[in-house]
Amino acid sequence: QITLKESGPTLVKPTQTLTLTCTLSGFSFSTSGVGVGWIRQPPGKALEWLALIYWDDDKRYSPSLKSRLTITKDTSKNQVVLTMTNMDPVDTATYYCVHRPAYGTSNYAFDYWGQGTLVTVSS
Amino acid sequence: DIQMTQSPSTLSTSVGDRVTITCRASQGISSSLAWYQQKPGKAPKLLIFAASTLQTGVPSRFSGSGSGTEFTLTISSLQPDDFATYYCQQYNSLWTFGQGTKVEIK
Repeated sequence: QITLKESGPTLVKPTQTLTLTCTLSGFSFSTSGVGVGWIRQPPGKALEWLALIYWDDDKRYSPSLKSRLTITKDTSKNQVVLTMTNMDPVDTATYYCVHRPAYGTSNYAFDYWGQGTLVTVSS
Repeated sequence: DIQMTQSPSTLSTSVGDRVTITCRASQGISSSLAWYQQKPGKAPKLLIFAASTLQTGVPSRFSGSGSGTEFTLTISSLQPDDFATYYCQQYNSLWTFGQGTKVEIK
């Protein structure tokens, strides 16, 4: 059973750096094609993809947020970490981590999601 | 960047109705399209991938069609559990979501 769980601060101040951790279980991050990504959703608004890291450490970022984001993985700890710099109140959102299936499944959408963690940016 | 546009934004409908939601891509994305269902306070759930393939466990009243730039999600007979917000997503080039369609009770 694949599960993902987000953890991190619930409140950050403007200009601070946000660090979120996604703890994975039930799958191998060594399998070709597997990816783990981050998506956010401001209250009452649509989903926005942020970043994704592949099994081979290849990384992809949203063009509009690329300068503020860093995604890394620690395979030994089964964790993926997202950092976002210079936080602003408009970054207030629920942040989800997601699983992208391996090659050969024909499914390259996000098939498993964490429960999400609400991050509020306020002074 | 590829933009995804869903219509309508809100759909007021009744149990038993046939529901169709449209999603348009700003450029061709082949069949690299997924549909998700989201209920309040919950994470989205994958319904359909590759434009028309039903995810395991999803009821057969859900179906998807289209390729290139125009796609549809159809619910053949709306059930009480289907009142939710639906999002399309392209994964042909990075990942982009539509703005969502809220299916509400008339």
